Parts: sequence; C-alpha cells; structure tokens
Amino acid sequence: EAGVVQSPRYKIIEKKQPVAFWCNPISGHNTLYWYLQNLGQGPELLIRYENEEAVDDSQLPKDRFSAERLKGVDSTLKIQPAELGDSAVYLCASRTNTGELFFGEGSRLTVL
Amino acid sequence: DQQVKQNSPSLSVQEGRISILNCDYTNSMFDYFLWYKKYPAEGPTFLISISSIKDKNEDGRFTVFLNKSAKHLSLHIVPSQPGDSAVYFCAASAGGQNFVFGPGTRLSVLP
Repeated sequence: EAGVVQSPRYKIIEKKQPVAFWCNPISGHNTLYWYLQNLGQGPELLIRYENEEAVDDSQLPKDRFSAERLKGVDSTLKIQPAELGDSAVYLCASRTNTGELFFGEGSRLTVL
Repeated sequence: DQQVKQNSPSLSVQEGRISILNCDYTNSMFDYFLWYKKYPAEGPTFLISISSIKDKNEDGRFTVFLNKSAKHLSLHIVPSQPGDSAVYFCAASAGGQNFVFGPGTRLSVLP
C-alpha cells in the first residue's frame, strides 16, 4: 500500500512569489493534516480536513496561506506571497481509523 | 505555552543498552499519545501509541509508559541499535483529533 505522497520535495523561491504543495493521503484515510516544521522544532498544525471539510484551520495564517481538498482525497496548500519566515518543511499526514498519523516525506521550502 | 515538552534536546546511549526518552504534557484533557522517529530529510515515522486507559504498551523493542497523575510518558528502547539514532517526537491529543507535538529529542546510539 502506498504511503502519503507529497510533492515537490524541495522548492526554492524568491520572496513575494507564490508556491503550492500537493499531498495525496493513504487511500481510505478521511482525515488529512498539514503541519509546518521549523528547524529544531516539532511539527505544528496548520489545518485538518475531515473528507473535504476543513474542520480546524485556526492556526492557518489566512492572509497568505490557503488550502483545499476537493473531492476529499488529495490536497493542496498554497502560500501567496511567500515571506522569508515561511522557509520550513511542510508535512502532510493522514490518519488511520485507530488514530495514528502517517506522514509524507515533506516539502522543504526555502524562500530567498 | 508549550503543551508538550521534551526537556532533553539530546541523548547518547551505548549500543545494546536501554534508551529512555521522556515527554511531559500540561493539558489534562490529553488522552491519546503517539511516538515518532524522524531521520534527516524524511517525514516522521510512527512508532507506538498509548491510550490513557493503559499505563503501558509494548511493541518489540519499544515500550511506552504513561503516568497520568504526573502527566508524563516515556519511550524505552531495548536494546538500542545504531539504526535507532534519530530525532524522537512525542505527540498528544484530546480525543485523537488534533495532535500537539513536542520539540523532539535527538538520540545517538554509539557503537
């Protein structure tokens, strides 16, 4: 069974440019998360989806970040415009019925 | 306000010995806990979980202990192997929905 797939793995952009990350969760997992991980810190929740509904986006900086999960399967996280402080790893995870989160390999963003 | 704390940024252990990684939490509503291992340039990998109805869960070389009164959990790895060298995160949730992660502990297992 395929795991959580994320792309791109690495992205380098200049500040003020837009960027988008894509995630395909494990088949059958209805709950999808986007987390942000800064160097030396643990993952921090950005948004949680139950199927196509964003049920918790309280930590998502909505002035520049947006996310969607059309059809309740894959998801896209967008930043526009990117700032220097957005440089981080963006992790996608999906949750099993027994409650464990499985993560993708992450998308590392560098904003110059 | 850090709800999940891992107060040891790093830990070094000799191969074959026990590794003990600690995690403390402040939110008494947390009732489900996960441990993850992370290698560089990879996503976190799920290791083991524990629910608040238990005080111990074991899976092979990994055992997690939960002390609810102290709001403390620990991950024991016995015996430690060089391949266990990684950053370990604990995560906690109330009701298994949103998980709060600790800052991680870097484990080095020395040959």
